[in-house]
Amino acid sequence: KQEVTQIPAALSVPEGENLVLNCSFTDSAIYNLQWFRQDPGKGLTSLLLIQSSQREQTSGRLNASLDKSSGRSTLYIAASQPGDSATYLCAPSAGTASKLTFGTGTRLQVTL
Amino acid sequence: ETGVTQTPRHLVMGMTNKKSLKCEQHLGHNAMYWYKQSAKKPLELMFVYNFKEQTENNSVPSRFSPECPNSSHLFLHLHTLQPEDSALYLCASSRPPIGVATGELFFGEGSRLTVL
Repeated sequence: KQEVTQIPAALSVPEGENLVLNCSFTDSAIYNLQWFRQDPGKGLTSLLLIQSSQREQTSGRLNASLDKSSGRSTLYIAASQPGDSATYLCAPSAGTASKLTFGTGTRLQVTL
Repeated sequence: ETGVTQTPRHLVMGMTNKKSLKCEQHLGHNAMYWYKQSAKKPLELMFVYNFKEQTENNSVPSRFSPECPNSSHLFLHLHTLQPEDSALYLCASSRPPIGVATGELFFGEGSRLTVL
């Protein structure tokens, strides 16, 4: 059974800092891995998807990397802004491409 | 128009009530999902439908009954629920990961359910 751990559980940084969110998973037989953000009381917004054959994906200030063999992914956020404050969720697919397993997320607060 | 729309956004029901949650996607996807998000717990997959056929039931109690009349609509019928069923219910959709399709999931805003 796939298990996903996200570290740290919560993070507070001043505006402008670069930061790294970590995700580890126990079953390396994944099809892809998605990173999402969730604002309080809202749904999930897809940020990046990395295929199992890829090493990284970039979108604007976000860069996600994947090391499938070691069961790790990181989300790098450059020049953080208060609008980045949200919970970030990592979700590798467990064999079947769209059957995702979620971690409990990292709650990020970016302060002025 | 948003990609995945869920109604109602908030629902309060008693344990003897029957209600339904609705999800509609305008993305041309063929797979739809129900997820449950309880406080302090990871999202849990409940049901998966591919091309209107149920392909996954993650040991969900029968008091939750899904229905997928077509690839654009998904319902979750609720009856005789328990207070511990109070949660945010999220619908998602995707294309099947065939060819260049990645299988990326897109979520709705969720339906916040409170069972009294």
